Amino acid sequence: AQSVAQPEDQVNVAEGNPLTVKCTYSVSGNPYLFWYVQYPNRGLQFLLKYITGDNLVKGSYGFEAEFNKSQTSFHLKKPSALVSDSALYFCAVRDPYSSASKIIFGSGTRLSIRP
Amino acid sequence: DTAVSQTPKYLVTQMGNDKSIKCEQNLGHDTMYWYKQDSKKFLKIMFSYNNKELIINETVPNRFSPKSPDKAHLNLHINSLELGDSAVYFCASSPPGRGNYEQYFGPGTRLTVT
Repeated sequence: AQSVAQPEDQVNVAEGNPLTVKCTYSVSGNPYLFWYVQYPNRGLQFLLKYITGDNLVKGSYGFEAEFNKSQTSFHLKKPSALVSDSALYFCAVRDPYSSASKIIFGSGTRLSIRP
Repeated sequence: DTAVSQTPKYLVTQMGNDKSIKCEQNLGHDTMYWYKQDSKKFLKIMFSYNNKELIINETVPNRFSPKSPDKAHLNLHINSLELGDSAVYFCASSPPGRGNYEQYFGPGTRLTVT
């Protein structure tokens, strides 16, 4: 069965420093991977996805993620954090062999950027 | 504005009542979803429809019944509401085409059952 894990409930970073939000996955075959962000009292917003091709994927708001097949990871990164990046971040995975369009979300990581 | 919209935004009701939440998307997407987000922010899929056809039906009490009158609308009706139904319910949609699996979410409906 497909699954995704976000090992950190919370990540704290100073503004201007690089940030990493971790995600590991378990799925048979090559996965489809996603990152979403949720601001308070809002719905989730799509940030980026990996389907195939270049392992480094660039997305919205300056975020990028690196697909690492050997480590089954898809960590979210940003070179220089902004206070406005503070939000809840979800990693998600879709089994490419699934006939339905079901994706599984991780438990979320709260990112807090201090000024 | 092009978006996924939900009504109502807030819903407060008593145990045992029946309520509905409506969702509409004007993005031209074929697939729509309902998710439940609990108080710990854990997000779980409930249902998915593709062109009005039910394609995902997770282990959800049959008090929950989705209805899709057309591919732009997916409503959720809940009978005999229970305290444990209190959560934020999100509607989402995704575009057609292989590889286009990213989902676009509505603003959510916060349901409080007292």
